Amino acid sequence: AQSVTQPDIHITVSEGASLELRCNYSYGATPYLFWYVQSPGQGLQLLLKYFSGDTLVQGIKGFEAEFKRSQSSFNLRKPSVHWSDAAEYFCAVGPPGGYQKVTFGTGTKLQVIP
Amino acid sequence: GAVVSQHPSRVICKSGTSVKIECRSLDFQATTMFWYRQFPKQSLMLMATSNEGSKATYEQGVEKDKFLINHASLTLSTLTVTSAHPEDSSFYICSAFQISGGSTDTQYFGPGTRLTVL
Repeated sequence: AQSVTQPDIHITVSEGASLELRCNYSYGATPYLFWYVQSPGQGLQLLLKYFSGDTLVQGIKGFEAEFKRSQSSFNLRKPSVHWSDAAEYFCAVGPPGGYQKVTFGTGTKLQVIP
Repeated sequence: GAVVSQHPSRVICKSGTSVKIECRSLDFQATTMFWYRQFPKQSLMLMATSNEGSKATYEQGVEKDKFLINHASLTLSTLTVTSAHPEDSSFYICSAFQISGGSTDTQYFGPGTRLTVL
């Protein structure tokens, strides 16, 4: 069975600092991988996704993520965090083409301090 | 980008009553929509897959007679929580699947509905 682990429940960074949110997955083959952001009162917004090809994926809002098969990881990074990035971030994994079988992690809440 | 709306955003009801939540895709047609339930500090749990013009597919452990799903049109799916009880209190999120072809297919999420059953 597929699973996703986000080991950090809550992370606090200073504005302008770099950010890395961890995500580890369990899946038998190469999965589809996603990162979503959820702001209060808004739906989950897709930041980026990995299906195949280049393991470094660029997303919206200056985010990127790197797929590392050997580590079963798909960590999300941003070189310089803005206050507006404060939100909850979800990593998700699913089988190729199977959106209905996407499994979400428990989320990491990001706090940005001035 | 595509927008998915949910109504209401928040609802409080008495135990034993039924509540209907609407999910609409505003600028695209969605043959497939999904309903999730999110508990505090937990991930989204898929409840069911709603297919336009056919019966919904429920995940294991989800009572289909309690959580009625209707996908009557390509832009609207509804979730009705029947005879709601306090344990049904949760955050319900829908999503709509936009088919563009291959890797550009995207799942768009609604803002969620907070249900509180007294």
